[in-house]
Amino acid sequence: EADIYQTPRYLVIGTGKKITLECSQTMGHDKMYWYQQDPGMELHLIHYSYGVNSTEKGDLSSESTVSRIRTEHFPLTLESARPSHTSQYLCASTSNTEAFFGQGTRLTVV
Amino acid sequence: AQRVTQPEKLLSVFKGAPVELKCNYSYSGSPELFWYVQYSRQRLQLLLRHISRESIKGFTADLNKGETSFHLKKPFAQEEDSAMYYCALSRYNTDKLIFGTGTRLQVFP
Repeated sequence: EADIYQTPRYLVIGTGKKITLECSQTMGHDKMYWYQQDPGMELHLIHYSYGVNSTEKGDLSSESTVSRIRTEHFPLTLESARPSHTSQYLCASTSNTEAFFGQGTRLTVV
Repeated sequence: AQRVTQPEKLLSVFKGAPVELKCNYSYSGSPELFWYVQYSRQRLQLLLRHISRESIKGFTADLNKGETSFHLKKPFAQEEDSAMYYCALSRYNTDKLIFGTGTRLQVFP
């Protein structure tokens, strides 16, 4: 079934650890996005990609990095997690008419 | 720069009352406007887009280029409409999808 998947759903990790949030989509979309969202609050665009080997920073400055080696895969990495990175991270991919969102990863850095 | 403004963080109404969630945007070109909805414990999902000019779940939204607005309206709110609503903007057929700050709609019985 065509969908967009994020793993893990929840992650609690210690300060200074390196983490990678996974995002995969089986819809064949070229455009993919990462948003950061605190509960019930605004979505901030932190990274986007137009296709393989294309990545751009979004409107909100983020210490995270992304890669797009395959169309279906758009992982986000934090080299050294800090408590300020605690948030929900949403991945999305878009056709030209609609954005499809994953279920999100809720990250807590302690 | 593109910008989407939703002036109300919270809108509370009683069942059967009319609802209008406000959205204003700033963009010099021809934007595409969307409304996305996030029900409790569900994914963010598309509600409607201005190009399709549809009514979805009784909601409509008209793009007013003169006032740069895309307000979401429903004549009679239902309890199941309670959710977080986000207005979003994209340049036609291009890149970033920019969201507003969102409005939480609470519909009381």
